[in-house]
Amino acid sequence: RKEVEQDPGPFNVPEGATVAFNCTYSNSASQSFFWYRQDCRKEPKLLMSVYSSGNEDGRFTAQLNRASQYISLLIRDSKLSDSATYLCVAPLFSGGYNKLIFGAGTRLAVHP
Amino acid sequence: GAGVSQSPSNKVTEKGKDVELRCDPISGHTALYWYRQSLGQGLEFLIYFQGNSAPDKSGLPSDRFSAERTGGSVSTLTIQRTQQEDSAVYLCASSSGGAGRTSFGAGTRLSVL
Repeated sequence: RKEVEQDPGPFNVPEGATVAFNCTYSNSASQSFFWYRQDCRKEPKLLMSVYSSGNEDGRFTAQLNRASQYISLLIRDSKLSDSATYLCVAPLFSGGYNKLIFGAGTRLAVHP
Repeated sequence: GAGVSQSPSNKVTEKGKDVELRCDPISGHTALYWYRQSLGQGLEFLIYFQGNSAPDKSGLPSDRFSAERTGGSVSTLTIQRTQQEDSAVYLCASSSGGAGRTSFGAGTRLSVL
């Protein structure tokens, strides 16, 4: 089993739709989680952090379920500019530092 | 301020040649990571540097890969005797501490012919 697994995608949705991505992690010791956004041929950039049960930032909501070891990202009222790949990250604390373990990413395409 | 800078942005090489990829982290960031991203895949951890501690090389795929970080700043990833399967985007990231304060460079796109 991979350390971090994500919905394979791609998700093709119309503008205004609500879309949700799931991510499961295998290491129960992971404490904090992150969603990164990666545009085509660009570097990943931090979108949201999830330290407790959840976090909301405008149209984006991230939720954490420790018992089931999954994280979700909900995007409401999708915009064309939301089209990107969304990477789930579960840091693994090892040897005194956080090794960032990335999922393979879920591709989102928002169309008019 | 300046972000993480990587060079070259693109590198085309022939199979069997050696290549060097450079990363200039954000000034003051003590942690530096190298990742590899193959087409359509997630980020694969390669190596981590933290201050003066011994680097974590657990992600390097073979002994053809090596990296160093001089003076706690600039890092160079070297791939010897490149193979076609080495073709990927190599991303460098630096951090001041904590996964939420990690910034990536734009990457070096390596193509081995």
